[in-house]
This record gives sequence, C-alpha cells and structure tokens, in this order.
Amino acid sequence: QQPVQSPQAVILREGEDAVINCSSSKALYSVHWYRQKHGEAPVFLMILLKGGEQKGHDKISASFNEKKQQSSLYLTASQLSYSGTYFCGTESNAGNMLTFGGGTRLMVKP
Amino acid sequence: DTGVSQDPRHKITKRGQNVTFRCDPISEHNRLYWYRQTLGQGPEFLTYFQNEAQLEKSRLLSDRFSAERPKGSFSTLEIQRTEQGDSAMYLCASTWGFQETQYFGPGTRLLVL
Repeated sequence: QQPVQSPQAVILREGEDAVINCSSSKALYSVHWYRQKHGEAPVFLMILLKGGEQKGHDKISASFNEKKQQSSLYLTASQLSYSGTYFCGTESNAGNMLTFGGGTRLMVKP
Repeated sequence: DTGVSQDPRHKITKRGQNVTFRCDPISEHNRLYWYRQTLGQGPEFLTYFQNEAQLEKSRLLSDRFSAERPKGSFSTLEIQRTEQGDSAMYLCASTWGFQETQYFGPGTRLLVL
C-alpha cells in the first residue's frame, strides 16, 4: 500500500523551514527520500533504515520513527534550489522495490 | 562514472504499435528496476532484475509488457499493442546489493496517440 505524504503542497519564502511527513500502514525496513524537478529524474537525498536513526547533510535532515512507521524530512533555511516535488519511497524488506508516496510539491519564493 | 542512461528520451506512437525502451544501468550495479510515473504521481514499481534474473513483477505489468536483461547488463522494456493509458514516464533505476540507493535514469516519456 502506498505511503501517505503530507502536506501535498507547501509554499515558502527563502530562508523559511519546512517539514514533510511520510506515513505507512505497513512495517518498514527503510525509507528513501528523493527530490524531483519538473521533467527530470528523481534525485536521491537520503536513506533511513529502521532503528530510528536521524540523518542529515547541509540543511536537509530526516528521521524515521520505526514504532509509528513514519518518516519526516526537515528542510531548514530553504533555498530557491529546494523547489521541486519530494517523494518518500518505502521498502518493506531489504532489496525490495520502492513504494512511493504521492509527493509533496514545494515551492520556494524569493 | 556515468549515471543510468535511458533511450529514447521521448517516444510518440500510435495506439496499437509496439515500442521498446532501453536502460543502461551504472556499471557493476546488479539490480535494475523499472518504474512508471504518470503526471502528478509518484513512480510505480513495474519489475526488477538481479543480474539477468527477473525477480518480481507488479500486477501493473500486463501481458502486453515484457522486460529482459540479457547478460545482466542493459535492460529493455517492451510494450506491445500500446494503449492511450500507457502514456507515462518510464523510469529505470539501478543499485548494488541491499540497503543501497536506487539511482534513477532520466526516463523515457511515452505518448500514445
């Protein structure tokens, strides 16, 4: 079953923060986050494995709550380049295919 | 190190025609995945290979769809007797082993008239 992402869309001003959530009704092995710009391929951001590990680089970080089967992506001090659609992809077992959420459309304005 | 490549990037065809897409994964990546993405939606899994073996197929993959990965290198996805509902972006991704990132190619955008 497809994970549910929220919000569906968000508009920010440069420098503002955002949180994107991904929830699954199934037990998860991992959550993968991607950003996709219009007409382009999804670009990998990070993987989180079960164990509640939080990851991050630069101003983008993410967490995975294994008990709740939820992951959150945190964007701080947003930049224009952050605009795009963010997808979470969930994996129920190692090496399986990814099941993607419906996406969160993020627009950062000057 | 080149990324995942796909060919063609765009394909326009008439309903009922057959089309074939190619994906060249990152070299030495043993797993290759095919996804389909329609406008405003996330990618949907179609099938995947480990080396040359096709390990799983989605229910989305009707008998008009067939995929191969001869010799465990590049892969082809063929759609026979195309229908307008097949219009979508077809994405290929590759990875090595488990717990690894899936790297996506640029996709092939198919339009069936």
